[in-house]
Order: sequence, then C-alpha cells, then structure tokens
Amino acid sequence: GQQLNQSPQSMFIQEGEDVSMNCTSSSIFNTWLWYKQDPGEGPVLLIALYKAGELTSNGRLTAQFGITRKDSFLNISASIPSDVGIYFCAGQLRGNTGKLIFGQGTTLQVKP
Amino acid sequence: GAVVSQHPSRVICKSGTSVKIECRSLDFQATTMFWYRQFPKQSLMLMATSNEGSKATYEQGVEKDKFLINHASLTLSTLTVTSAHPEDSSFYICSARTGGQPQHFGDGTRLSIL
Repeated sequence: GQQLNQSPQSMFIQEGEDVSMNCTSSSIFNTWLWYKQDPGEGPVLLIALYKAGELTSNGRLTAQFGITRKDSFLNISASIPSDVGIYFCAGQLRGNTGKLIFGQGTTLQVKP
Repeated sequence: GAVVSQHPSRVICKSGTSVKIECRSLDFQATTMFWYRQFPKQSLMLMATSNEGSKATYEQGVEKDKFLINHASLTLSTLTVTSAHPEDSSFYICSARTGGQPQHFGDGTRLSIL
C-alpha cells in the first residue's frame, strides 16, 4: 500500500534554532497536510498545501508541496519551547474520499 | 472554526464491557468522519471512514462487528467498541471534514480495559 517516509524520526535542538523535516512517497498526492500532536491530544492542523510547488507560511512555519507531488517539507524557524511535540505529514490521494496517509511522525524536543 | 469534539476523553472499564465514543463537529457539517487508533509512539492508523447515512468503510484487518460505527447525522458519529478486552486498550481519535477541506481532529479518547 501507499507509504509516507517521514524524517527525521526525532530531533533534539536548542531554542532559537531552525528545524526542517520532510516526507517522501512513491505515490502522487493532490494534497499535503502538516499536523502537530501534543501528548494526550489529537493532531492540530498547521498547514495545508494543494498545488505542486506551493510554498505556504503560518507564522514561523513554512511548508512546500514538492513539484513531483511526491514530497513535502516543513520548516520551523527560531524554535521555542512550545514547539515541542510530534509533527506528522499526511498526504491525500486523488479522488474525493478525503482519506489520508500519515507519515511516521517527527518528535521534536527543544532545549531552553 | 472547524472544531471537533470527542467524548469521553478517558474511559477505564472492565473486560467485556462495551464502550461508546462520540465525535461531534461543532461548527460545521461533516460529510465524512474518520476513526483512527494510535498506539504509543506510533502514527495514526485509520480504522474506518464514515459517511452520513451510509455504512462505514472499514480498513483491512479492522473487525466491523467489533468496532461499530454509526453516523446518523452530519454532526455526529459514534464508535462502539463491543465486548472490549485489554488488547483493545488504545488511544482512539476521530476526525471530520466537509467538502474539499482538510480533516480536523478531536482530542482523542484514552481507552483502558482492565
């Protein structure tokens, strides 16, 4: 079945540093989504990407939809302690079922 | 906008009990709702897709008689874990979407079967 390869699996960084994570797949997606999940809670949508090549920002977060439609990255600039959590990419296949394929997640820890 | 409420947030019950979890879209009508299961330190695993007024579509390996899904209105879907056993203990999360919008998630239900 379809799979998303998300990397890195975990990151431990100093406050103020920039962070980058990405997802790749052998399948073509028509939508890429990035979510953040805090412990014991559901994922919260950060950024949604709908067009190949699209670059979208949400505050200190920037994400891009790869030209090949098979990859996406998320950057976080000037990290702060509240950025701690698990970040998931999710790809939506063509068609209108809305079903998502999730990456394995990137666990981010920020040292104050 | 796009608020999804999930209830209860935590359930602890004895083996053999059936447990119902509710998922509500509070400020939009959800044409589709999804139910996921998440094990510690793992990603979300889709269990089933639910459209209002029709039978849910279950993912391979998910027992439909074990995990009963009802989607009676555009704002409410329920997941009932029937005759729950310790191996059913997990974090269950619902999501909802409308039209071409992204899925928005509830806060999850921590189910613990003793």
